[in-house]
Amino acid sequence: QVHLVQSGAAVKKPGASVKVSCKVSGYTLSELPMHWVRQAPGKGLEWMGGFDPDDGETMYAQIFHGRLTLTEDTSTDTAYMELTSLRSEDTAIYFCASSLDGSAIDSWGQGTLVTVSS
Amino acid sequence: DIQMTQSPSSLSASVGDRVTITCRASQSISSYLNWYQLKPGKAPKLLLYAASSLQSGVPSRFSGSGSGADFALTISSLQPEDFATYFCQQSYSSPWTFGQGTKLEI
Repeated sequence: QVHLVQSGAAVKKPGASVKVSCKVSGYTLSELPMHWVRQAPGKGLEWMGGFDPDDGETMYAQIFHGRLTLTEDTSTDTAYMELTSLRSEDTAIYFCASSLDGSAIDSWGQGTLVTVSS
Repeated sequence: DIQMTQSPSSLSASVGDRVTITCRASQSISSYLNWYQLKPGKAPKLLLYAASSLQSGVPSRFSGSGSGADFALTISSLQPEDFATYFCQQSYSSPWTFGQGTKLEI
């Protein structure tokens, strides 16, 4: 069974960057296509990016316009999400998630609240 | 990007009711359609994948149907724990996209 544990909440100023970690257990990171999804207050779910096993590449939602970087450290089975040039609209709960079959997100981290405020 | 449109946006129902939520894709997505349940303060939970396959551990009162561009999630007999927000999501092509959500209320 996949278990995902994320880093704690963060408060950032506009223009700063945030890096959220996601520790994987139960499987190795190399076995799991990882994705990141966020939920802004009062809003729905928004897919940010993830690994496409068909292409072997990490895909990103265009709306982040190069502000988003997803990385993995397979030596520690930890995935990272870094978002730069933060603005108030980036205030949200950020979830790491995995997809064993590559097409449905079947495991989720507990979520990390990122607050962007001056 | 593929747009996912759910209806209704909100739904009032009672325990024991049968409810159906629909999801329409802006183009054909074959059966690459998943349904999630979201409760406040919790991570989303996968209910159904590939349009109609029940995720392990999910009660059989949940069912899914459809293919191509039109899909539905049905809860056959609402239980108190089912009052939540439901999202459809396509994984046919990147970027994966979610519907806007359907809030199921008492």
